[in-house]
Amino acid sequence: KNEVEQSPQNLTAQEGEFITINCSYSVGISALHWLQQHPGGGIVSLFMLSSGKKKHGRLIATINIQEKHSSLHITASHPRDSAVYICAVAANYQLIWGAGTKLIIKP
Amino acid sequence: IAGITQAPTSQILAAGRRMTLRCTQDMRHNAMYWYRQDLGLGLRLIHYSNTAGTTGKGEVPDGYSVSRANTDDFPLTLASAVPSQTSVYFCASSVVAGNYNEQFFGPGTRLTVL
Repeated sequence: KNEVEQSPQNLTAQEGEFITINCSYSVGISALHWLQQHPGGGIVSLFMLSSGKKKHGRLIATINIQEKHSSLHITASHPRDSAVYICAVAANYQLIWGAGTKLIIKP
Repeated sequence: IAGITQAPTSQILAAGRRMTLRCTQDMRHNAMYWYRQDLGLGLRLIHYSNTAGTTGKGEVPDGYSVSRANTDDFPLTLASAVPSQTSVYFCASSVVAGNYNEQFFGPGTRLTVL
């Protein structure tokens, strides 16, 4: 079993829909990162969080340390949000990466 | 340059050949990393460097070597390429090493070993 599991693996939705991507992990962590990989391949960091909730524009990330679970939400989704979203957890001074969730937003 | 650059963008290589992937950052970040990304798998750490002059092995170091002669450059060398090293390679950096630090990624190098 992978230490970091993301769900769903693939998600297709219509423009405007509320999107939720989940990340569950099985190890003790000090922080959790959400990143976005664009169709062209570039990877950018979206959030780093160790408790609670963070918001940036239409993106919201939450984490529940007790349940070892984090969610990434996108409100009012747009085709430009189409990308792979990657969760990575910081444990024992290393990052453990999820396999990513491929999101497609149709106009 | 601004941020992290990688070269080449893509490369097709015959098995057994030696290849060096270049990575340069101009942000004066202390820590640098090399990852490979394969279909269906998460990023896997190959080697890292917490500061100039030091390097360490990641999750999948076999077949790869790195050096960190200065702060800006972190080349990755495949001494004798094999087809299983076909992958997309990403270089990243962070201000300092550690779990709480945001990593900045290069654009990637797509390597095909035939």
